[in-house]
Amino acid sequence: DGGITQSPKYLFRKEGQNVTLSCEQNLNHDAMYWYRQDPGQGLRLIYYSQIVNDFQKGDIAEGYSVSREKKESFPLTVTSAQKNPTAFYLCASSRRGGSNQPQHFGDGTRLSIL
Amino acid sequence: QKEVEQNSGPLSVPEGAIASLNCTYSDRVSQSFFWYRQYSGKSPELIMSIYSNGDKEDGRFTAQLNKASQYVSLLIRDSQPSDSATYLCAVTETDSWGKFQFGAGTQVVVTP
Repeated sequence: DGGITQSPKYLFRKEGQNVTLSCEQNLNHDAMYWYRQDPGQGLRLIYYSQIVNDFQKGDIAEGYSVSREKKESFPLTVTSAQKNPTAFYLCASSRRGGSNQPQHFGDGTRLSIL
Repeated sequence: QKEVEQNSGPLSVPEGAIASLNCTYSDRVSQSFFWYRQYSGKSPELIMSIYSNGDKEDGRFTAQLNKASQYVSLLIRDSQPSDSATYLCAVTETDSWGKFQFGAGTQVVVTP
């Protein structure tokens, strides 16, 4: 079955530690996205990528980094510079970038501070 | 700052009734509109997309778009307890590659 796989489901970060969230899709989608969701708030865009080896900052990129070395994979690193990392992180993909393309989501990763 | 506004709810709906959810947006030239359903603790799931003025029906769901008034709505007919969830409205910005702007969502509670 085609879909978007995020791992791990739960992740705990210690002070000063970088952690990496995995996102893999087998939908052959060109575009991939990372969002952060805090309780009672909408999704906020962290980074997006429309094509391999290219990515752009979203609205809240500070303290995060990404790579897009393969079409299927778009890992997100939460660095120690992100002082409030506790949130629900969602990876999404769409067939290509563009205003009429629906985005489809993985199951998410919950990140907490130890 | 372009905004998407939704009533946070909760919207309490008797089983079998119609749930009506509204979403307003500030970007007058937005082109594409999406409704997502999000169960508690889960990720958003696409329900409907709508691109032109008027109504679009899919099963028990109807999306309504009025670009002149800058609102999009979602009707859920014959509401079921399984419809209890938060519904997110997403609007794309037209001065970019198609970035989504999400509302904070409306919580719907269907009571038996």
